Formats: sequence, C-alpha cells, structure tokens
Amino acid sequence: AQKITQTQPGMFVQEKEAVTLDCTYDTSDQSYGLFWYKQPSSGEMIFLIYQGSYDEQNATEGRYSLNFQKARKSANLVISASQLGDSAMYFCAMREGRNYGQNFVFGPGTRLSVLP
Amino acid sequence: DGGITQSPKYLFRKEGQNVTLSCEQNLNHDAMYWYRQDPGQGLRLIYYSQIVNDFQKGDIAEGYSVSREKKESFPLTVTSAQKNPTAFYLCASSPQGAEQFFGPGTRLTVL
Repeated sequence: AQKITQTQPGMFVQEKEAVTLDCTYDTSDQSYGLFWYKQPSSGEMIFLIYQGSYDEQNATEGRYSLNFQKARKSANLVISASQLGDSAMYFCAMREGRNYGQNFVFGPGTRLSVLP
Repeated sequence: DGGITQSPKYLFRKEGQNVTLSCEQNLNHDAMYWYRQDPGQGLRLIYYSQIVNDFQKGDIAEGYSVSREKKESFPLTVTSAQKNPTAFYLCASSPQGAEQFFGPGTRLTVL
C-alpha cells in the first residue's frame, strides 16, 4: 500500500494566486514527521516545510503553509501568492518513528506550473 | 560552507561496468541516504545508513552496494548486476529526527 499519496499529477495556477497541493499519508506510528520538498528542473531537492505529528499548530514558512489534518491523515501544502519561480515538482514525504529508523518515504510528486 | 557534494554530475557507463558515485557531507549528520529517480517519477530509496559501519537496504537495493567507513562519506557503487541503471541519483543526509538535506545529484547514463 502507498504510504504517501499525491493525487494531483499536475496543477496549474495563475501567478499571484494561492494553490493547494494535496498529500495524504498512511502510518500506524504515533510519532512521525511530514515534509514537503520542491524539485526545480535542475534536479536539486529543496526542503520547504516540516510538520511533526505532535505539533498542534500548522507549520508556516514564508509563503508556504501546511494544512495538517491529523484525523484525516492529510498534510496539504498551501503556496500563497504564486510566483513563476514556483514552477517545479513538489514532493510530500514522511518519516516514521522517532530519532532512529529514519526511513523516509516520498510520494510520487505533483508538477506545478505557474502561468503568467 | 556546509553542504553535501556529489560527483560526478554526469556519468556515462558501458554495459557490464561497475561505477561508483561519490557523496560527501560536512554537516556532521549521522544519517545518509541514496535515492534513485527515474524521469517523471518520485524518489525510491536504495540504501541508508544511520551510523558509521552500518547500513540498511532500501526498497531497490538489488544491483547496488554501499559503504560507510567515515561519517562524511557514503559512496554508492552501481554494479553490472543492475540491469537498468540509467537514472538520476540523489544523496541525502540528515541529523537524527530532522529533514533531509540533498546533494545536487548525479545523472548516470548507460551507453
């Protein structure tokens, strides 16, 4: 079974508008971490934002915020005020367990295209 | 500056040859990882290491080998047993319990 599901293979958004990229996860652990990465066409993976399973507040980092709904096992990424440079692949990832057994699992990704 | 370096950026291999991809980090991270990415796909874990002289197989370890003799280094060897090695290879490291930091990647092409 897929541990990380990203149901949107591709998304389009108009420049300056907000966009939500979906991510659902599957785990039986109580302690886990959720991450979002951006991969531009150059191939590098850029860390965007992190949400711990015990964090009560939704994580925010600049224009990025994570809409964490624990009961629904959902960790959607919201990008506000989209910019042309936001066009890239976006991956949701999960780390299960505490400090050890750090096996990260990545979703299949969503390709975001920002239109001028 | 601290970071993760991978070399070479591009690598070409003839069929039947073993090749080794380099990954070095000076972030003092305990854990290191190797991923494979095929075009338009997500990342698949090849091997990971949580501590020096110890490593674990990931989802697609067949045809690959690693070593972790030093904390800073986690080289990946793509052996001739790997039947379809053409891909983009990403190395990452992380401190315990935190996000992964990635290197710039190596594009391997089999001729």
